[in-house]
Formats: sequence, structure tokens, C-alpha cells
Amino acid sequence: KQEVTQIPAALSVPEGENLVLNCSFTDSAIYNLQWFRQDPGKGLTSLLLIQSSQREQTSGRLNASLDKSSGRSTLYIAASQPGDSATYLCAVNGDSNYQLIWGAGTKLIIKP
Amino acid sequence: DAGVIQSPRHEVTEMGQEVTLRCKPISGHNSLFWYRQTMMRGLELLIYFNNNVPIDDSGMPEDRFSAKMPNASFSTLKIQPSEPRDSAVYFCASSMPPNTEAFFGQGTRLTVV
Repeated sequence: KQEVTQIPAALSVPEGENLVLNCSFTDSAIYNLQWFRQDPGKGLTSLLLIQSSQREQTSGRLNASLDKSSGRSTLYIAASQPGDSATYLCAVNGDSNYQLIWGAGTKLIIKP
Repeated sequence: DAGVIQSPRHEVTEMGQEVTLRCKPISGHNSLFWYRQTMMRGLELLIYFNNNVPIDDSGMPEDRFSAKMPNASFSTLKIQPSEPRDSAVYFCASSMPPNTEAFFGQGTRLTVV
């Protein structure tokens, strides 16, 4: 059974720092991995989708990497800003081909 | 496209009442998902539709929950009768096809008192 873990559960850093959020999964047989952001009381915004054949995806200050063999993905945020404060979730599309398996999220606070 | 649209955004109802949540997926998406999010259990998939047909409803908690997708642009999730433990945020998401990027609505925050 696929399990997704996100570490740390919470992170607080000063503005301007580069940071890395981690996501690990137990079964390497995945179709893709998606990173989302959730603001308090809001919906989930898709940030990046990495297909199983890809190693990384970039969007602006965000870079997500995928290492299937080790069951890991990282979300790198460059030059963090207070507006980046949110909960970041990763989700793995597993063997059912539609069922997203979710991590519990990392709550990120960027201090001005 | 306006994205996935859910209504209402907030719903407060009394225990025993019927609640209907609505979702309009992104035009052209053929996969639709209903999720429930709580602090204790995180995000749970309730039901998945593909081309308007329910494919997996194993996540529906019990018979009090039902979902329909009468056409490609509309889906409902109904709870009858509602109970306080149903209080949660309910999300609708769509994608095309099912294992591609999923887009979520803003959610409906349901409170059953």
C-alpha cells in the first residue's frame, strides 16, 4: 500500500531564504507526482506535476525533483517571500491510475 | 476557463437535514473527483467519475452519501440525513484524463450542528 510522508510538518524561515520541502513515498511504481499549495480556508492550487519519466519540473521560483528509485521528491523554493506562506502538499498518482495518495503537508511560514 | 466551480462556499445545516453540494468541472475534463478534508483524516477521495460514470465510490462513507453526474458539466454530492461528523471541507476536482494534473475547486465548508 502506497504511503506518502512529508517532512517537516512545519517550517518557519526568514524572507529571502532558499528552502527545500521533502516528500517520500513507499512504492516507486507511480504514474506521476503533484505538488499543491493550500492557503488557509482555500482550495488546493496545483504547482507542479512531474511524470514518472521526468526528473524535474520548474515554474518560476519553484523547482520540483523526482527520484523514483529512492521514493523521494523535493520542492525547492528560491528567494522565499511572505506570500509563499501556505501548506504545501504532495500527492502521488499510484497504481490505480487515478487515486491520488496524499502526504499530510508541510506548513510553511515565511517571516518578513 | 474559470476553473472548477463549487457551490455553496459555506453551508451550515441542522442535523438530519439534506445537504446538496454542487460542482462544475473545467470544460473538456472527463474525470471528476469528490474529496473530503478534515484535520484528523486529511484529504479522502469519496468518489471518482470518468465520462460521467461513477468508477470508484469505495470512499463514500455510508449510504447517507450519494453523488451524481448527469452531464459533463455538473455533479452533485448529497448527504441525507446529515450528521455533525459530516462537518468538513468538501472539494471537487477535475482532470483530463484521470492521471493528469488535477485542478481543485475552492471547496464547500460544511458545518452540521
